[in-house]
Amino acid sequence: GENVEQHPSTLSVQEGDSAVIKCTYSDSASNYFPWYKQELGKRPQLIIDIRSNVGEKKDQRIAVTLNKTAKHFSLHITETQPEDSAVYFCAASSAAGNKLTFGGGTRVLVKP
Amino acid sequence: GAVVSQHPSWVICKSGTSVKIECRSLDFQATTMFWYRQFPKQSLMLMATSNEGSKATYEQGVEKDKFLINHASLTLSTLTVTSAHPEDSSFYICSAPSLPAAEQYFGPGTRLTVT
Repeated sequence: GENVEQHPSTLSVQEGDSAVIKCTYSDSASNYFPWYKQELGKRPQLIIDIRSNVGEKKDQRIAVTLNKTAKHFSLHITETQPEDSAVYFCAASSAAGNKLTFGGGTRVLVKP
Repeated sequence: GAVVSQHPSWVICKSGTSVKIECRSLDFQATTMFWYRQFPKQSLMLMATSNEGSKATYEQGVEKDKFLINHASLTLSTLTVTSAHPEDSSFYICSAPSLPAAEQYFGPGTRLTVT
């Protein structure tokens, strides 16, 4: 089955700096890669996703890149703010709407 | 966006008893729903795929006789933890894909504590 690895497990950045989280996946059949933000005790919230026919996607301060050949994808958050502090999960699926395999998560702390 | 609810939001039960958790899609129909379990400071692990009108598909290592799943309608899936033990204490989250984008919508989660 699919295996998703995520690094780093914790990330501390100064407010205004950029944060980068990287994930690798094992199943070449995976075609859908969402990123979720989860605050303590809350449900995961989709912040951005990318499909395999796209190499990069951007939404304001958040961007995701995908390298299908290398089987890795990354989340980039620019101009970080204290409210960006949370746990971020990457995930992979064979298609949007199918079951998700999650990475281990990255705890991001943005220091004011 | 689409809304998925869960009930209860938290439950405390005694070891050996059973607990039922409901997952509802409030404004869309879901032929498939997913059940995840999340232990403290860990990731979400898929337990099973709930299929409306047919048997659930369980992930490797998940006991189907312990975690009973019923998807009796297009808006409701239930997870029953039978003979619960303290090691079953966890955060249980369901999700359902909503068309046309098929984005997964997560329920708010149910925190189960078994004493």
